[in-house]
Amino acid sequence: GAVVSQHPSWVICKSGTSVKIECRSLDFQATTMFWYRQFPKQSLMLMATSNEGSKATYEQGVEKDKFLINHASLTLSTLTVTSAHPEDSSFYICSARDHSGRSDTQYFGPGTRLTVL
Amino acid sequence: QQPVQSPQAVILREGEDAVINCSSSKALYSVHWYRQKHGEAPVFLMILLKGGEQKGHDKISASFNEKKQQSSLYLTASQLSYSGTYFCGTEIGTDKLIFGTGTRLQVFP
Repeated sequence: GAVVSQHPSWVICKSGTSVKIECRSLDFQATTMFWYRQFPKQSLMLMATSNEGSKATYEQGVEKDKFLINHASLTLSTLTVTSAHPEDSSFYICSARDHSGRSDTQYFGPGTRLTVL
Repeated sequence: QQPVQSPQAVILREGEDAVINCSSSKALYSVHWYRQKHGEAPVFLMILLKGGEQKGHDKISASFNEKKQQSSLYLTASQLSYSGTYFCGTEIGTDKLIFGTGTRLQVFP
């Protein structure tokens, strides 16, 4: 199956700093990528849809100025958590859709665990 | 809008069967099933694209009832490796995948 990578795997930062998370599709091109957040023992909640070459589409309740998304190429999307606070601590997962015709599956990256002190 | 899964949790002995249900209040275009181990990203199990479709791999299968806006995942002769949290993901007309509430499955020897 297709591979999606995320970097870093985990990050610990101080309150008030910004953190960038990268999501890459390694063997396919993704015009659309998705960012999810998952709190312990909860489901994955969609934060935003990242569109290559255009602005991201944010879900209701997600602050676009706090969670900056950039989809600069067909294989890379980045999520920047600006001025992070302890309540932003969570598991952030990206996914990408493979529309190559082989499948219509959404593949997930391994996730990034963010801890804000 | 989030699909509701039932049951919330299941405890099984190795070799037993289980059924996990996923219900949506909105019309479904497709249903995806994923399994997530603790601390890891979800792993794709299967996708059902059409109402009435049934699909299986090894001893895990699923069905999609478009009219009832439901899908069920069937785990037969469960193995220890089946333990994890199962999520259904539903598409409601866009490319977005909305995940269900999750079902925690634990298989004991």
